[in-house]
Amino acid sequence: NAGVTQTPKFQVLKTGQSMTLQCAQDMNHEYMSWYRQDPGMGLRLIHYSVGAGITDQGEVPNGYNVSRSTTEDFPLRLLSAAPSQTSVYFCASSYSGQALQVGELFFGEGSRLTVL
Amino acid sequence: RKEVEQDPGPFNVPEGATVAFNCTYSNSASQSFFWYRQDCRKEPKLLMSVYSSGNEDGRFTAQLNRASQYISLLIRDSKLSDSATYLCVVNGNFNKFYFGSGTKLNVKP
Repeated sequence: NAGVTQTPKFQVLKTGQSMTLQCAQDMNHEYMSWYRQDPGMGLRLIHYSVGAGITDQGEVPNGYNVSRSTTEDFPLRLLSAAPSQTSVYFCASSYSGQALQVGELFFGEGSRLTVL
Repeated sequence: RKEVEQDPGPFNVPEGATVAFNCTYSNSASQSFFWYRQDCRKEPKLLMSVYSSGNEDGRFTAQLNRASQYISLLIRDSKLSDSATYLCVVNGNFNKFYFGSGTKLNVKP
């Protein structure tokens, strides 16, 4: 059982380049989300989705786009990378998209991004 | 103000010690609460959910005080393997999870 799979695990970009971080889950979870983790800041929510075709912004959405065309996949796009986007990115899914019932978050192993 | 605030640590304790972590949250409408554990350079993993009545899982006890908007985690008989960062997590507003910045625990022989 693969759980939540993120690719790539490491990436170095130059300022202004674009890229997509991939996230896939095989648990049939409705809820998927992206976080970034910076030293001393904890995890901050970028975007989330409660089901295919539905996405919404989190705390720090600027500079990122998402889409959810299938239940399994939730890619995160960096439109024009900036050094401030250097971070560790985690994708997480959960088994319910309904308010009050979203439970345990299952995380991918993370993607370490450096923007020069 | 941050949605979730935690003691930053680090907490340095000997094996066998009892250690307690605290966390406060700002949104009184928050519905669910969790403690996650994160090992160095790894993904967070669920340690335990926190229920209004308090709950225990082996050496770990979690408490929730809704009136004070306060969550705690107690670890008894600390093991070397408990060394990690402990994250307080609150589901504050319709599927938005808010994470504290974490409390680092170092258990020493």
